[in-house]
Amino acid sequence: DAGVTQSPTHLIKTRGQHVTLRCSPISGHKSVSWYQQVLGQGPQFIFQYYEKEERGRGNFPDRFSARQFPNYSSELNVNALLLGDSALYLCASSLAATSGQETQYFGPGTRLLVL
Amino acid sequence: DAKTTQPTSMDCAEGRAANLPCNHSTISGNEYVYWYRQIHSQGPQYIIHGLKNNETNEMASLIITEDRKSSTLILPHATLRDTAVYYCIVRASGSARQLTFGSGTQLTVLP
Repeated sequence: DAGVTQSPTHLIKTRGQHVTLRCSPISGHKSVSWYQQVLGQGPQFIFQYYEKEERGRGNFPDRFSARQFPNYSSELNVNALLLGDSALYLCASSLAATSGQETQYFGPGTRLLVL
Repeated sequence: DAKTTQPTSMDCAEGRAANLPCNHSTISGNEYVYWYRQIHSQGPQYIIHGLKNNETNEMASLIITEDRKSSTLILPHATLRDTAVYYCIVRASGSARQLTFGSGTQLTVLP
């Protein structure tokens, strides 16, 4: 079975640009979460979506936004890129957000470099 | 979610058991202990989780103390491919909460 997939794998942008990252969850999973991992640190939570609704938001500026589609795939958008946005962006999916079904499985990530 | 404390780094000889400790002294009754690992530049990989009983799967065993204030992840026969950062995370059951990652333990398996 296919795991969580993310695209693109690598991306280079310049300051001020906009970026869209994509994630397809494991088949049957309805919840998607996004994390940012800066070099040398653990992943930091950005957003969680379940059944197309935002269920959680981390401490990130409004430049970061996301959405989930009817097929449960998701996009993470970042506007007005800063050098500090350079990171590995991780997507994780889970069956649901309720007890016993919330184990999150991660994709390989998208590595974003902002120049 | 409760905070966890892990050693920064550990070494283990190939073929021996790797025992990774985690302290979570402020854990609440409805909080599970999750373990993930991250091999360099890859996404975190789920290993195992438990509430109060010891758990075992094809990857590892999780031993949780009776007072639930600490736990140990055991890789029974470590291989070079087990070299990774191992994260211990405490998370409430039945919630949509995110995983809160700490700094983890860098496990290096030596030949």
